[in-house]
Amino acid sequence: DTGVSQDPRHKITKRGQNVTFRCDPISEHNRLYWYRQTLGQGPEFLTYFQNEAQLEKSRLLSDRFSAERPKGSFSTLEIQRTEQGDSAMYLCASTLDRAETQYFGPGTRLLVL
Amino acid sequence: AQTVTQSQPEMSVQEAETVTLSCTYDTSESDYYLFWYKQPPSRQMILVIRQEAYKQQNATENRFSVNFQKAAKSFSLKISDSQLGDAAMYFCAYRKTQGGSEKLVFGKGMKLTVNP
Repeated sequence: DTGVSQDPRHKITKRGQNVTFRCDPISEHNRLYWYRQTLGQGPEFLTYFQNEAQLEKSRLLSDRFSAERPKGSFSTLEIQRTEQGDSAMYLCASTLDRAETQYFGPGTRLLVL
Repeated sequence: AQTVTQSQPEMSVQEAETVTLSCTYDTSESDYYLFWYKQPPSRQMILVIRQEAYKQQNATENRFSVNFQKAAKSFSLKISDSQLGDAAMYFCAYRKTQGGSEKLVFGKGMKLTVNP
């Protein structure tokens, strides 16, 4: 089993630019989660997919954020018109079943200048 | 809303000694999961141990064990025979078992230093 992978691992962008991150879950995991972690804090939930359906979104997910999981496999998280406050680590996790443990990827560290 | 509190931002322990990390949480649910995750510097978050609230027995994984006090809403992690590789951020997390959100709710974390 390969683990959860995320790409890119690091991204530096200028304020106002759009960025897109990708997450590949563990194969056969039908549930995929996005979290955001700022410095000195624990991860905070952003959104969750079961297969291709986006079933829950946090209030943290402003209208500049959009996430997709078009075929129920990999997912993308796009941030439009980035702001300095978007600088954070974006973590992806996956699991096979609600009762199971969420397995995390290495994260994408975003720096908005 | 559920909350998770880790009141100690940092701790240190000597190699081979035992350390206990504390965590309290607030919920009105009767059944839920509790987790301890470890995040080494610049590395991904990995599960250390998990506890299901309906189980009376405290979970144990090798050198890691928990003290789960449901009435007190306390979930502490004990690391025995500490090793240099245990140095990391440790996060306590909560999740409902049924209905509603599947999200993990994390505490702010605690930085553990292991001294040789």
